[in-house]
Amino acid sequence: EAEVAQSPRYKITEKSQAVAFWCDPISGHATLYWYRQILGQGPELLVQFQDESVVDDSQLPKDRFSAERLKGVDSTLKIQPAELGDSAMYLCASSSTTGGYEKLFFGSGTQLSVL
Amino acid sequence: KQEVTQIPAALSVPEGENLVLNCSFTDSAIYNLQWFRQDPGKGLTSLLLIQSSQREQTSGRLNASLDKSSGRSTLYIAASQPGDSATYLCASDQTGANNLFFGTGTRLTVIP
Repeated sequence: EAEVAQSPRYKITEKSQAVAFWCDPISGHATLYWYRQILGQGPELLVQFQDESVVDDSQLPKDRFSAERLKGVDSTLKIQPAELGDSAMYLCASSSTTGGYEKLFFGSGTQLSVL
Repeated sequence: KQEVTQIPAALSVPEGENLVLNCSFTDSAIYNLQWFRQDPGKGLTSLLLIQSSQREQTSGRLNASLDKSSGRSTLYIAASQPGDSATYLCASDQTGANNLFFGTGTRLTVIP
């Protein structure tokens, strides 16, 4: 069964350093999402792409976070500089229309620890 | 902004028991309500989606209900099994664009 691929699985960095996460959605899925999940909380949407265009980035801290999906396939989320409060699980998801609605498929995430 | 609450935060039950997980939301103008399962250190798996016009959805031993007027949804799990142990999250979609507002989840442990 096709899966959303994310790498790296774990990332440890020091504050003020730059980090990048990669996501490859399920083939054919036009919509891609980046969510952030702080320990003990539910995920929060950071950015949503439709093909290569940003649909919603209202909750993305744009002073330090950036996201791109240049060819409308895989995507990169970058943080520069990283802060202690950025420690979280970063989840990528893609969606397809199933039974009349957009069903979400999540990757296993990148666990970021900022020291 | 939509606020989604899940109670209890954790629940332990013996194998075979039927159980109900609760989800409440403050803004009843939802497009749909979704339930997910998350295993430790993993991503989320979509379980059920209830459209705003629906009252319930069923998949196997899972049944989710929706009462928009009271701002509540429940996930019923029948004949629980140890493999059901996971965190269950509900999320509301206000627009149909999958910009989901998640609850903090209920961590379920099914004891063999």
